Amino acid sequence: DIVMTQSPDSLAVSLGERATINCKSSQNVLYSSNSKNYLAWYQQKPGQPPKLLISWASTRESGVPDRFSGSGSGTDFTLTISSLQADDVAVYYCQQYYVPPRTFGQGTKVEIK
Amino acid sequence: EVQLVQSGAEVKKPGESLKISCQVSGYSFTTYWIGWVRQMPGKGLEWMGIIHPGDSDTRYNPSFQGQVTFSVDKSINTAYLQWSSLKASDTAMYYCARQGGSQAFDRWGQGTFVTASS
Repeated sequence: DIVMTQSPDSLAVSLGERATINCKSSQNVLYSSNSKNYLAWYQQKPGQPPKLLISWASTRESGVPDRFSGSGSGTDFTLTISSLQADDVAVYYCQQYYVPPRTFGQGTKVEIK
Repeated sequence: EVQLVQSGAEVKKPGESLKISCQVSGYSFTTYWIGWVRQMPGKGLEWMGIIHPGDSDTRYNPSFQGQVTFSVDKSINTAYLQWSSLKASDTAMYYCARQGGSQAFDRWGQGTFVTASS
């Protein structure tokens, strides 16, 4: 199985400041034939199901604020919240969908400092 | 509007059987794979597997193979997750989700909490 490791496990950021979450996969998730990274980011708020924020490592879903951005390729990826809002308090997960089982990272909890 | 609506919370005893459901609307049910994700209390997300409603082709996470069964009923646009003999360790929230065009899970059900306790 591909192991997805997120860092940090939690972070506290002041309102309006940048939050950065890292995700490292144990194997490459870049498919060379189409140059796509099979990597997604989800946001889960307390008591709610996860919500897809970003697919293909950097493509924001419709309706997702542009303060959320994804970057990286191969085995190393980053989710950045450029200016943290109170509504962004949540746990964030990365997931590889390159090969089954399509494993998730352990999650990163984002709080307000 | 795309919706995935799951059946309500369940309380069962270990050893009992259970089948939970996920009814979809707002798109053609047979177009996209449906996945199941487990979240144990206070823990992260675990990919259990996926089923294609068109032909019931199924891919299980080896960690769940033989422990659960996926199925669909195309006539009522519903996917199912079932256990033949629950264990206490099956206590968790279970989500269904649509594997959309991006191949990520782009729509999710609200979750079904299963409690298996004597």
